[in-house]
Amino acid sequence: EVQILESGGGLAQPGESLRLSCAASGLTFSAYAWSWVRQAPGKGLEWVSTNGKSDGNTYYADSVRGRFTISRDNSKNTVYLQMNSLRADDTGVYYCVKGGTSSFFGYWGQGALVTVSS
Amino acid sequence: EIVLTQSPATLSLSPKERATLSCRASQTVGSSLGWYQQKPGQPPRLLIYDVSNRATGIPARFSGNGSETDFSLTISSLEPEDFAVYYCQQRSNWPRTFGQGTKVEIK
Repeated sequence: EVQILESGGGLAQPGESLRLSCAASGLTFSAYAWSWVRQAPGKGLEWVSTNGKSDGNTYYADSVRGRFTISRDNSKNTVYLQMNSLRADDTGVYYCVKGGTSSFFGYWGQGALVTVSS
Repeated sequence: EIVLTQSPATLSLSPKERATLSCRASQTVGSSLGWYQQKPGQPPRLLIYDVSNRATGIPARFSGNGSETDFSLTISSLEPEDFAVYYCQQRSNWPRTFGQGTKVEIK
């Protein structure tokens, strides 16, 4: 059974940083691209970033480019999202998701809540 | 950026009725279009990929259709558990984009 578990969410003040982690099990982690998708309270889904499986290519939404960095550690079956210079509009639930390059978002974690507020 | 426009915003139907949801793309996405279902307090679930292929475990009452810029998701006979929000998403271009969602509610 595939399990995806996010951690690292919480409360941050504007301008601060947070790092989300996502640990996956039940599949060959290194064989897939991994992405982050977020959802502001009461709003729709917004793709944030994708890390390609083998080429290491990374992709970002314009809204986070230059502030967020996605990375992965295949030895730990973990993908990360380093979030710097946080803004109030970064508030939401951040989902770690399998896929994003040559496939759709097939498996989703339960999400990590990030709240940016002074 | 490819903009996906879903309609209607809300669909009010009764169980056993047929639901048809629409997703229109601002430019062609070929067959790189998928659909997700999200229930309150839960993450989204992939229903349909590449326009018309059901994901693992998705019942046959869900079907997808369309090409290029116009797509639809049909639920042939609504079950109580189908009342939820549905999103379309394209993976043809970067950035990946979602539609704004259609809420299927009980009439």
